[in-house]
Amino acid sequence: QVHLVESGGGVVQPGGSLRLSCAVSGFSLSNYGMHWVRQAPGKGLEWVAFIRYDGSKTYYADSVKGRFTISRDISKNTLHLQMNTLRVDDTAVYFCAKDRWQLVRAPFDNWGQGTQVTVSA
Amino acid sequence: EIVLTQSPATLSVSPGERATLSCRASQSVGSNLAWYQQKPGQAPRLLIYGASTRPTSVPARISGSGSGTDFTLTISSLQSEDFAVYFCQQYDNWPPYTFGQGTKLEIK
Repeated sequence: QVHLVESGGGVVQPGGSLRLSCAVSGFSLSNYGMHWVRQAPGKGLEWVAFIRYDGSKTYYADSVKGRFTISRDISKNTLHLQMNTLRVDDTAVYFCAKDRWQLVRAPFDNWGQGTQVTVSA
Repeated sequence: EIVLTQSPATLSVSPGERATLSCRASQSVGSNLAWYQQKPGQAPRLLIYGASTRPTSVPARISGSGSGTDFTLTISSLQSEDFAVYFCQQYDNWPPYTFGQGTKLEIK
C-alpha cells in the first residue's frame, strides 16, 4: 500500500531555511516522479517543484526558483525540499505527491497529509 | 502558463441531487485534466484523470467529461461524504502544473 508522510515543517523567520522530508513506502522513488504542492491558509493548490522518476531533471515554480531545491535519497526512499530565503508568502501546508505513471503527462495519484510551514517574524 | 477557471465558486445542493462543476482552460489541454476532492484538514484525493477516467476506488456516481478547454465533473445522487472542495488540474503543458481555484460543494 502506498504511503507518504511529510515532516520538517515549523515556524521560521523571514530569510530563514527549512528542509522538508517526505518518507514514502509501497513504491520506489526510482520508479515515479515526485512533486511538492503547497496550500496557503484558506487558498487553493499551488504546484512548487517536481523531480523526474530517474532523477535526471528538476522543475520549479517561478515563485520558488533559486530558493528551493527538490531532491531525493533513493536508499532511504525519502523526498526532500530544501527551502532557503523563506518569505512570509511561503507560509502554507506543503504536500508531497506521486505521479501516477512514468509518462511525461501524469496526474498526482497519492498525496501525503502535509506539513505546516509558517514564516513569521 | 495555462489558467484554469472553475465555476461556480460555491455550489449548494441537497443530498440525493446532482451536482455539476465546471473547469475551463485558457488553452487546450487535450484530455490531460484531473479532478481532486479535498476535505478540511485532509490531502487532496484524485477522483478523475484523463478527463473522464476514474481510479478503481472512486464510486461510479462521480464522472468527468470534456476535452480541449471545457470540462465537467458530475456527481449524481450526492452523498454526505461528497460535500467538499473540488479542484481541477492540468498536466498537459508544464511547468508549471496548474490548478483551478476550487469549487466548494456545500449542503443546501
